[in-house]
Amino acid sequence: ETGVTQTPRHLVMGMTNKKSLKCEQHLGHNAMYWYKQSAKKPLELMFVYNFKEQTENNSVPSRFSPECPNSSHLFLHLHTLQPEDSALYLCASSQDPQGALNTEAFFGQGTRLTVV
Amino acid sequence: DAKTTQPTSMDCAEGRAANLPCNHSTISGNEYVYWYRQIHSQGPQYIIHGLKNNETNEMASLIITEDRKSSTLILPHATLRDTAVYYCIVRVGNYGQNFVFGPGTRLSVLP
Repeated sequence: ETGVTQTPRHLVMGMTNKKSLKCEQHLGHNAMYWYKQSAKKPLELMFVYNFKEQTENNSVPSRFSPECPNSSHLFLHLHTLQPEDSALYLCASSQDPQGALNTEAFFGQGTRLTVV
Repeated sequence: DAKTTQPTSMDCAEGRAANLPCNHSTISGNEYVYWYRQIHSQGPQYIIHGLKNNETNEMASLIITEDRKSSTLILPHATLRDTAVYYCIVRVGNYGQNFVFGPGTRLSVLP
């Protein structure tokens, strides 16, 4: 248990569906991250939020839409996905990285997404 | 891109020490080295991090060379449950905010 909770753990969706992934942390952190991990590949950083503001978008397609309503919650809204978007989606949180580089990130267990 | 390079894979006998190397030749003076591991299809697990002094916790030890261009993660008595992919990370980004993962080292602990 890392203090970062992701729901759902597994999701199967059709290419025309709209779904959302949720991430929640109660560690008092103010930076949150979304990562994508395709089969047998390293984690790819998608988005970074710091104090609810998006500070990083790594050229992610617009069919992925993040939302950070407060420092404890992060969502990833999905619509019109493709089968190649099937992957493990991981959320992480850390203290303000601009305030201190000496802060580790904690990861959730991920959502296994299958697009059919 | 990741600022670190690691061997693709390593084997270690159960009960022996596992020494995982990492090169980070472009590391800056205020950048920390972090180690994580990922057991199959789970979220990465934080292990340890350090700046320039050697660090030890209940999971592992971290040895950083004096010039800080490389480091070694040591699992003193490897068990089968330590089989995982181990990632060495130096944070990147304008504010050093990003944990960018490379391919890591796949450690297999053998009985």
